[in-house]
Amino acid sequence: KQEVTQIPAALSVPEGENLVLNCSFTDSAIYNLQWFRQDPGKGLTSLLLIQSSQREQTSGRLNASLDKSSGRSTLYIAASQPGDSATYLCAVTSSSNTGKLIFGQGTTLQVKP
Amino acid sequence: KAGVTQTPRYLIKTRGQQVTLSCSPISGHRSVSWYQQTPGQGLQFLFEYFSETQRNKGNFPGRFSGRQFSNSRSEMNVSTLELGDSALYLCASSPGTATSTDTQYFGPGTRLTVL
Repeated sequence: KQEVTQIPAALSVPEGENLVLNCSFTDSAIYNLQWFRQDPGKGLTSLLLIQSSQREQTSGRLNASLDKSSGRSTLYIAASQPGDSATYLCAVTSSSNTGKLIFGQGTTLQVKP
Repeated sequence: KAGVTQTPRYLIKTRGQQVTLSCSPISGHRSVSWYQQTPGQGLQFLFEYFSETQRNKGNFPGRFSGRQFSNSRSEMNVSTLELGDSALYLCASSPGTATSTDTQYFGPGTRLTVL
């Protein structure tokens, strides 16, 4: 059974810092991995999607890496801003013919001005 | 393109009642998935519909059901509500071709409170 873990559960950093969020999964047979952002009481916004054959994806100040063999992904946020404060979730899909995402519990990030 | 829309946004029900939630996917998307989010359990997959057929199902009791219409709009129904059903219910849509998946786009959710 696939399990996804995110560490740390919460993180507080001063504005301008670079930071890394971690995600690990128990079954390396994934199809893809997505990183999402969720603001309090809102839906999820997709940040990056990495196919299992890829090693990383970049979008602006965000960079996500994937090491399928070790069951790990990281989300790197450069030059953090207060507007980055949110909960970040990673989720994996196990095969190509399913929309089922298995989520981690998330990392709640606070960026202090 | 308009995003994923969910109605209603907020709902208050009492134990034993039933409720129907609606989700309209992004135009052209054929896959709709539903998730339950609670503080204790996080985000849990309920079911996925593709071309009006349930393609995957999570580990929820039979009180939770869903359907998808020919225009890809989807509804989920919860019968005999329990206090533990209080949650944010999210739906997500994706192009969902028969043999591949893509980025999933989430709606704002329906906040269900059961009293």
